[in-house]
Amino acid sequence: DGGITQSPKYLFRKEGQNVTLSCEQNLNHDAMYWYRQDPGQGLRLIYYSQIVNDFQKGDIAEGYSVSREKKESFPLTVTSAQKNPTAFYLCASSVGATSYEQYFGPGTRLTVT
Amino acid sequence: AQKVTQAQTEISVVEKEDVTLDCVYETRDTTYYLFWYKQPPSGELVFLIRRNSFDEQNEISGRYSWNFQKSTSSFNFTITASQVVDSAVYFCALSEAGTASKLTFGTGTRLQVTL
Repeated sequence: DGGITQSPKYLFRKEGQNVTLSCEQNLNHDAMYWYRQDPGQGLRLIYYSQIVNDFQKGDIAEGYSVSREKKESFPLTVTSAQKNPTAFYLCASSVGATSYEQYFGPGTRLTVT
Repeated sequence: AQKVTQAQTEISVVEKEDVTLDCVYETRDTTYYLFWYKQPPSGELVFLIRRNSFDEQNEISGRYSWNFQKSTSSFNFTITASQVVDSAVYFCALSEAGTASKLTFGTGTRLQVTL
């Protein structure tokens, strides 16, 4: 079955630690995205990548970093510089970068204490 | 700048009632795309529909229908004969042409369908 996997589902970290969230897709999609969702709010774009080895900042990139070394993978690192990292993180992919619909993974709920 | 407004924070209906979720958008582009997503309690967003700005035809898919009106910048979503399984948070989103499919989401409407 084609789809997007994110692991783990729940993640707990101590303040000051960097943490990497995994996102893998086997849909052969070119574009991938990371969103953050806070309670009662919509999704906000963190980073996106249209092709391998290229990515751009979204609306709230501060305190986050990404890499896109393979088409299938787009990991997100939440650094200690992110002031309020506790949130639900969703990864998505789309066929291309021309306003195609995005398909989402199951998400990772990160709690930092 | 683009913006999506979903003024209804939460709606509660009894099963079999019809319900309409409102979505109003703002954009300066003439070419844009509108989307609806469903987020059940599991958290994963499920794609429901994509509509481009040049296609104002209403769409019906089973119990779901969408009404796109450019004159009022609205893209409303109606569920006919609602069911308990329709309980979820529904998001409307907008993407402008040439923006690498970057989506701007509304804040969502939580729909609760009870027996």
